[in-house]
Amino acid sequence: GENVEQHPSTLSVQEGDSAVIKCTYSDSASNYFPWYKQELGKGPQLIIDIRSNVGEKKDQRIAVTLNKTAKHFSLHITETQPEDSAVYFCAAPQGGSQGNLIFGKGTKLSVKP
Amino acid sequence: DAGVIQSPRHEVTEMGQEVTLRCKPISGHDYLFWYRQTMMRGLELLIYFNNNVPIDDSGMPEDRFSAKMPNASFSTLKIQPSEPRDSAVYFCASRSVGGYTFGSGTRLTVV
Repeated sequence: GENVEQHPSTLSVQEGDSAVIKCTYSDSASNYFPWYKQELGKGPQLIIDIRSNVGEKKDQRIAVTLNKTAKHFSLHITETQPEDSAVYFCAAPQGGSQGNLIFGKGTKLSVKP
Repeated sequence: DAGVIQSPRHEVTEMGQEVTLRCKPISGHDYLFWYRQTMMRGLELLIYFNNNVPIDDSGMPEDRFSAKMPNASFSTLKIQPSEPRDSAVYFCASRSVGGYTFGSGTRLTVV
């Protein structure tokens, strides 16, 4: 089955700097890779996702890159702001895009003003 | 749309008691998932349903855990009897082609 590894587990950056979170997956059949943001006391919320037919996707200050050969994908946040502080999770589906999601262990991002 | 609605938000119960967590998915979403979140193990999938039918319950930790989805708008996760190690935040999520939407979770504390 699918196995998702996420690094780092914690990340602290200064406001305005960039933050990068990386994930690897094991199932070469996986073709959908979402990222979720979880704020304190709330459920995870989808912030961006990428399908395997593209290598990069951007949405304002966030971007996701995918390397299918190496089976890894990354979340990039530029010009970080204090409100970006949260726990971020990557995920990959078990059994292709219709499978249930297997989540990484999460990265706690702290943005210091 | 009110999103995925879970109740209660917080539950404190004594060891050995029965606990029932409730979830109302987004209308039209045909998949429903129950996850458990702890510091040690992260987000673990317990069980998921497609069109109200349980598809995979291999994540349910023990026979003390059971889940039902009697109709498209309601699901329950029951723990009987509860134990202190069941303390966690339990999330329900529903899915459409647009991806997963999570509820706000139920924080369960078993003392």
